[in-house]
Amino acid sequence: AQRVTQPEKLLSVFKGAPVELKCNYSYSGSPELFWYVQYSRQRLQLLLRHISRESIKGFTADLNKGETSFHLKKPFAQEEDSAMYYCALSGGGSNYKLTFGKGTLLTVNP
Amino acid sequence: DVKVTQSSRYLVKRTGEKVFLECVQDMDHENMFWYRQDPGLGLRLIYFSYDVKMKEKGDIPEGYSVSREKKERFSLILESASTNQTSMYLCASSLASGDSTEAFFGQGTRLTVV
Repeated sequence: AQRVTQPEKLLSVFKGAPVELKCNYSYSGSPELFWYVQYSRQRLQLLLRHISRESIKGFTADLNKGETSFHLKKPFAQEEDSAMYYCALSGGGSNYKLTFGKGTLLTVNP
Repeated sequence: DVKVTQSSRYLVKRTGEKVFLECVQDMDHENMFWYRQDPGLGLRLIYFSYDVKMKEKGDIPEGYSVSREKKERFSLILESASTNQTSMYLCASSLASGDSTEAFFGQGTRLTVV
């Protein structure tokens, strides 16, 4: 079974502060990990995936297989980062099932 | 450049009705998914399909069925709608392999069962 856990439902920070959204996963093979974001009144969209190893909008995420984690980080939060963030896992290969966590609502205060 | 389209933004149905939610994608994706999105519960996978006429149960398939007769279209069917199926339903599609297995989402259908 594959499972994604996001322990924080809500996260509130001030503009300019560092932010870290936690994600832990459970999967027996080598998964693909993603972060998706949903801004107010917009569609859910991909923010980044671990395979690409890139920084998007200042966000980065490192896959830690030992700790089975894929935390999302940004050194200086901006007000426009306020959104719902979902961590997601796909088994890869022939396992196409895409499983999401419960999401973390990030609020960046001015 | 809308790529995943859900047929309705809002639906109101009566308890016991048979409900069809339609989703169409124009990206020639193999995989298609149906989720329901509820506050505090995140996205829960109902069914997914990796090819025409192929389907697999997700985590909460009870009370739902799906149909995929054509590659671009994936339908979610509520056989007999109940009030606990009131929710936001999201459709998504993705490639099965390659450099980008990103899932693209529709705008969602907010279903209210009364």
